[in-house]
Amino acid sequence: QVQLQESGPGLVKPSETLSLTCAVSGYSISSAYYWGWIRQSPGKGLEWIGNIYHSGSTYYNPSLKSRVTISVDTSKNQFSLRLTSVTAADTAVYYCARQRGGGSAFDIWGQGTMVTVSS
Amino acid sequence: QSALTQPASVSGSPGQSITISCTGTSSDVGGYNYVSWYQQHPGKAPKLMIYDVSNRPSGLSNRFSGSKSGNTASLTISGLQAEDEADYYCQSYTRSYTLVFGTGTKVTVL
Repeated sequence: QVQLQESGPGLVKPSETLSLTCAVSGYSISSAYYWGWIRQSPGKGLEWIGNIYHSGSTYYNPSLKSRVTISVDTSKNQFSLRLTSVTAADTAVYYCARQRGGGSAFDIWGQGTMVTVSS
Repeated sequence: QSALTQPASVSGSPGQSITISCTGTSSDVGGYNYVSWYQQHPGKAPKLMIYDVSNRPSGLSNRFSGSKSGNTASLTISGLQAEDEADYYCQSYTRSYTLVFGTGTKVTVL
């Protein structure tokens, strides 16, 4: 059974960098699939942040591209999100998820982790 | 990229059928057979309901079905049940390998 679990600080100061990790269990991340990050601001809809292919190729939301880096660590079977220069607008629940294939759906999701940007 | 357009709310009585629309453009919904639908209950992670326009994940109720016509995709819930009350989001692939979600629809079971 494939499971994803997000981890990272729940509070980040404005202008600093948000860093989250998604640990994958029950499947080797280096085998296949795309792995992605999605966020949801309080009371708002879902926003795709970006994806990484198991080989390391990355794809980002154009509106966030200048501030986002997604990387994969196959030795730890996890992938990570870095979002720089955060503001209050980046306050959200951040989800990691597995994507079925290029362009397709996210079929397995983590439970999500709330990140608040505040001084 | 702009979010796909969904109605803010849809309601129906138990046993009825409802349809949620998801309108995009020829650069996303209309251009690819990569439309997905998610159900989200309050405080929970989204759950995949439909992928690649009309496919159901294994084990999912056949009360949920998806379709597409032109730039608009649709999710139909038949035999509406109390547990179907949730938020629903569509998602589409767009050109240059980006993804976009819909604005979300709150389904209320009367």
